[in-house]
Amino acid sequence: DSGVTQTPKHLITATGQRVTLRCSPRSGDLSVYWYQQSLDQGLQFLIQYYNGEERAKGNILERFSAQQFPDLHSELNLSSLELGDSALYFCASSLGMASGNNEQFFGPGTRLTVL
Amino acid sequence: DQQVKQNSPSLSVQEGRISILNCDYTNSMFDYFLWYKKYPAEGPTFLISISSIKDKNEDGRFTVFLNKSAKHLSLHIVPSQPGDSAVYFCAASYNDMRFGAGTRLTVKP
Repeated sequence: DSGVTQTPKHLITATGQRVTLRCSPRSGDLSVYWYQQSLDQGLQFLIQYYNGEERAKGNILERFSAQQFPDLHSELNLSSLELGDSALYFCASSLGMASGNNEQFFGPGTRLTVL
Repeated sequence: DQQVKQNSPSLSVQEGRISILNCDYTNSMFDYFLWYKKYPAEGPTFLISISSIKDKNEDGRFTVFLNKSAKHLSLHIVPSQPGDSAVYFCAASYNDMRFGAGTRLTVKP
């Protein structure tokens, strides 16, 4: 158990809809990262928040947005969903700001299926 | 934008033998490299890392080698055990972390 929790575990929705994925980091961790893993693909970095502020942005679509709240939990919002958005979405957390030598602890993921 | 590549999607080895997983990268700005291990239905877990100022880091059965001139790193597992069967992701970081597509290792008893 990494200490990172993600809800829901599974989500099935239709094209054009909007969903929210939730992540609670490990106690004491200030950074939250979101990743997308599509079928047979590696983990694609989407976005990082550190102590409530956006710190780094990766391959995140404009239809996607995220935020980190004062209690440090984070939400990833996916809108106007397309079939290609079906994937595993992982949240990770780390103590520090820089992704370099900060070990990231991953949650179990949310499997999103868009029909 | 494939800055980190794992060209072997799968690898099968016999228990007790060495497993060698390879990873190539293109961005010379990367200054930290990590290996993560992933079991089905779980998130990736950190395995071992190496700073760009080193060329080798060892932790028990796991050793990571870094060849900066070739922009190549490898993970050696000796001896391999059936419990090592998992997907292994190589990752490299500078401002953010980039992952490879993963290599599925199967260790046969």
